[in-house]
Amino acid sequence: NAGVTQTPKFRVLKTGQSMTLLCAQDMNHEYMYWYRQDPGMGLRLIHYSVGEGTTAKGEVPDGYNVSRLKKQNFLLGLESAAPSQTSVYFCASRPQQGAVHEQYFGPGTRLTVT
Amino acid sequence: GEDVEQSLFLSVREGDSSVINCTYTDSSSTYLYWYKQEPGAGLQLLTYIFSNMDMKQDQRLTVLLNKKDKHLSLRIADTQTGDSAIYFCAEVMNTGFQKLVFGTGTRLLVSP
Repeated sequence: NAGVTQTPKFRVLKTGQSMTLLCAQDMNHEYMYWYRQDPGMGLRLIHYSVGEGTTAKGEVPDGYNVSRLKKQNFLLGLESAAPSQTSVYFCASRPQQGAVHEQYFGPGTRLTVT
Repeated sequence: GEDVEQSLFLSVREGDSSVINCTYTDSSSTYLYWYKQEPGAGLQLLTYIFSNMDMKQDQRLTVLLNKKDKHLSLRIADTQTGDSAIYFCAEVMNTGFQKLVFGTGTRLLVSP
């Protein structure tokens, strides 16, 4: 099992450009999450999904969109990137029957917006 | 608010004990957690404590919980260079959907 993988690992964008971050998991987990991590701050939840075809907003959803067309994939989109979106983005997944702390994290995507 | 606070940095020598502190916000949290993030990697659950416990020991790790002061600590005995990482405490927020609220993270540097 590869676990949770994220693509790409690094990316530099110019302000106003768009991009999609891909998260894939091969553990058949129902729940998936996107977080951002900024210096001196903990991980903050952007969006999450409780199953294929469902998405919901977390605590910092503005400027991001998500889609969960397939159970194994959770996509995070930036339509018009801003410097404030410079961050490290982590995806996580967990089984529906598991506890909230049983999240498996991906290795992260470091995004810089200039 | 949802601020879970930690000191930003801790430096110790190999073999010493490390104590990482955390102040959380939600007194109804059933569990409190410690996660470890190694360089270039995602978070991994290190240990956790149930809210009706004061202390939990797991090999070199000791978790202390003071519910009255909403204070959580992680003690690492005989700290090794491999323990160098960022440590996050986390609590559970129940706002219709259970989610983890992470602390600001403490970077532990262990020198030989």
